[in-house]
Amino acid sequence: GESVGLHLPTLSVQEGDNSIINCAYSNSASDYFIWYKQESGKGPQFIIDIRSNMDKRQGQRVTVLLNKTVKHLSLQIAATQPGDSAVYFCAENSGSARQLTFGSGTQLTVLP
Amino acid sequence: NAGVMQNPRHLVRRRGQEARLRCSPMKGHSHVYWYRQLPEEGLKFMVYLQKENIIDESGMPKERFSAEFPKEGPSILRIQQVVRGDSAAYFCASSDREAEAFFGQGTRLTVV
Repeated sequence: GESVGLHLPTLSVQEGDNSIINCAYSNSASDYFIWYKQESGKGPQFIIDIRSNMDKRQGQRVTVLLNKTVKHLSLQIAATQPGDSAVYFCAENSGSARQLTFGSGTQLTVLP
Repeated sequence: NAGVMQNPRHLVRRRGQEARLRCSPMKGHSHVYWYRQLPEEGLKFMVYLQKENIIDESGMPKERFSAEFPKEGPSILRIQQVVRGDSAAYFCASSDREAEAFFGQGTRLTVV
């Protein structure tokens, strides 16, 4: 069936470096994508979203890139900080479906 | 503006008991979604409700699980005759338009 998946389950980066978290999706009808951050014991926190009519969107220290040709989504975090350590999920929403389909998550660890 | 409020945060039930999980959406939000998260996994959609209506329950187990969102009061996710496999974190999200959903802190259900 359709799914949203992540390339790597864990990612470790040095504090101050940039982080790139990747996500592949298989539903070509997906038209809306969201990145969530989930800290231990907490609910997912909205980071940034992008619609399928865009290929790049920037927020504060974060950038989401969408490549529809290869059905790939990435989250870039600039100057990664210890507070960025968390599990990051990509999620997609397709067409009239209101529910989100989540990937399995990438654990980001920021090293001092 | 308070966020999505879920209670209780932690719930312990013995096998065979009933579990009731509550969710108060953000002020002004009329759409509520319930998700389940097993350890080290992504969130899985369960049900989407609007006031007094179940819009999509395609992710709900066929038996023992039910959800409601009454005209007044919080949304309730009810699990009857709980089993060990029901142990998970249950998250509620709310939105006022398509897909930009904000999550609560979750209820962690433990069945002993």
